[in-house]
Amino acid sequence: EAGVTQFPSHSVIEKGQTVTLRCDPISGHDNLYWYRRVMGKEIKFLLHFVKESKQDESGMPNNRFLAERTGGTYSTLKVQPAELEDSGVYFCASSPKVAGGPREQFFGPGTRLTVL
Amino acid sequence: AQSVTQLDSQVPVFEEAPVELRCNYSSSVSVYLFWYVQYPNQGLQLLLKYLSGSTLVKGINGFEAEFNKSQTSFHLRKPSVHISDTAEYFCAVSFGNQFYFGTGTSLTVIP
Repeated sequence: EAGVTQFPSHSVIEKGQTVTLRCDPISGHDNLYWYRRVMGKEIKFLLHFVKESKQDESGMPNNRFLAERTGGTYSTLKVQPAELEDSGVYFCASSPKVAGGPREQFFGPGTRLTVL
Repeated sequence: AQSVTQLDSQVPVFEEAPVELRCNYSSSVSVYLFWYVQYPNQGLQLLLKYLSGSTLVKGINGFEAEFNKSQTSFHLRKPSVHISDTAEYFCAVSFGNQFYFGTGTSLTVIP
């Protein structure tokens, strides 16, 4: 079974540019999550999709971040325009639908974003 | 509100020595507890989890953790580490659909 995949693995962009990160969850997983880790800090929740619907986007930093999940499959996270403080590692995770909430989230390798 | 504290940001330990990575959490309700490991250039991999039942949880690669409700702790232990255990370890609690992570502990095993 293929795991969660993320593309690209690294991205270096200039301040003010746009970047789009992609996540392909494990097939059949309804839940998809985005997290971000700024260097030395904790991994922080950004948002949660259930199929194609945003269930919780309370962790999104501001309106420069836009997440979509087309047809309930893969998801994209766009940052436009990028700022220096957006640098970090962006993780995607997925989990199957389980009564009472997820027991485990399966994580991708992350995308390391550097904004210069 | 839920929060996770990993007090040790870096832990160096000699090969074949025991190790304990500490994790304390703050929550007013029951949560699920997890330890994840991130090897260099890889994603987060689940080491072990506590959902209910026995407070001593065994995971992969010889790791185990003990849930202590009174001390709100979930420390990770291994009796004898190997070079291949060098990695970053994250403690997490889940509440609802969210995971709350600690800042991570970088374990370095010295030959």
